[in-house]
Amino acid sequence: GQNIDQPTEMTATEGAIVQINCTYQTSGFNGLFWYQQHAGEAPTFLSYNVLDGLEEKGRFSSFLSRSKGYSYLLLKELQMKDSASCLCAVVDSNYQLIWGAGTKLIIKP
Amino acid sequence: GAVVSQHPSWVICKSGTSVKIECRSLDFQATTMFWYRQFPKQSLMLMATSNEGSKATYEQGVEKDKFLINHASLTLSTLTVTSAHPEDSSFYICSARLAGDWNEQFFGPGTRLTVL
Repeated sequence: GQNIDQPTEMTATEGAIVQINCTYQTSGFNGLFWYQQHAGEAPTFLSYNVLDGLEEKGRFSSFLSRSKGYSYLLLKELQMKDSASCLCAVVDSNYQLIWGAGTKLIIKP
Repeated sequence: GAVVSQHPSWVICKSGTSVKIECRSLDFQATTMFWYRQFPKQSLMLMATSNEGSKATYEQGVEKDKFLINHASLTLSTLTVTSAHPEDSSFYICSARLAGDWNEQFFGPGTRLTVL
């Protein structure tokens, strides 16, 4: 079966750094997305990795290791507005998005 | 660019009625659109994949006769929840994928359906 694992919830302090891990086992791999979803809203795109390595975009970075079936999302200089669910999603061999359950990120002052 | 709209943003209806939700790609052509459902505190669940001009592909456990999908043009897909019941109350989100190889899905803002 296909499986995406990420922690259910993480708590971090405003201004700090947090790393959210995602491991996956899917039938084929055509890229991995990180989306952010605030409560009651649709997901918004954060990053896309298809090759191994680190992609940096402002305060957000995403890392991928295909051999390990592993990715992480790194958020720096955390702000209160970063409180949201971070969703990991993998594109499988059929170009379908397989979604993780999401990590609820709680930012405390 | 790559904006997807949904209408309505929220709807309340009586049990037994049908509700139509529209999903439009505003500034691009979407050969493929996806319909998701999300219950509170749960992840997105793919309901069906809709390709322009052909029948939708439904995920296991999703009743195609209850959730009617029409993808009549490259910019519009509709989801009709027929004979809605309270258990159909959920957040319905559509997404659209650009034609070509890029895998990203662009999401609409979602429609919150409440069935009384």
